[in-house]
Amino acid sequence: GQQLNQSPQSMFIQEGEDVSMNCTSSSIFNTWLWYKQDPGEGPVLLIALYKAGELTSNGRLTAQFGITRKDSFLNISASIPSDVGIYFCAGQTPNSNSGYALNFGKGTSLLVTP
Amino acid sequence: DTGVSQNPRHKITKRGQNVTFRCDPISEHNRLYWYRQTLGQGPEFLTYFQNEAQLEKSRLLSDRFSAERPKGSFSTLEIQRTEQGDSAMYLCASGGSETQYFGPGTRLLVL
Repeated sequence: GQQLNQSPQSMFIQEGEDVSMNCTSSSIFNTWLWYKQDPGEGPVLLIALYKAGELTSNGRLTAQFGITRKDSFLNISASIPSDVGIYFCAGQTPNSNSGYALNFGKGTSLLVTP
Repeated sequence: DTGVSQNPRHKITKRGQNVTFRCDPISEHNRLYWYRQTLGQGPEFLTYFQNEAQLEKSRLLSDRFSAERPKGSFSTLEIQRTEQGDSAMYLCASGGSETQYFGPGTRLLVL
């Protein structure tokens, strides 16, 4: 599958700070998804983006689908300790063979200190 | 709870043994996916079912791996003659055409 470059690799911030992370690809995607994964658990869907330029919010989370369809970013405002985890971006290219299999980045590890 | 469930959550086995994992998707979803995740990496696609038909396998799915979804509901993933390199988290996801919801995963350790 296509390689997604996710940055930063890790972030160490204080509670209350805003966070921004992004994901880029050499290929075009039709859908971008952002997941959060806690240790020993499966990824949990945070936000789904379906159109280039789309800006979507989910509580303190905001994500955007880049105009070029090759990138996306996720912002977290006013971080709290329970935001700790690994955040993954995933791109999806509809394909009659792969049935919309997701291509994942390597994740951004977020640590929040009280 | 109507989310995706997976069993067992953890499995420790000796090299050469066979293991089987089960996934119960969200009931109204006709698409079911298996992914594998190793430490420090994102999940990697293994295979995909639409209803009971297995429509795609990635090159990661060696001949020792087989997956089934006999009635278009739950799915099983079997690994034969396990190797230490098979140690990973095996994730199942179900969804429609635009989103996928993951289960908690089965963590496999091959000794």
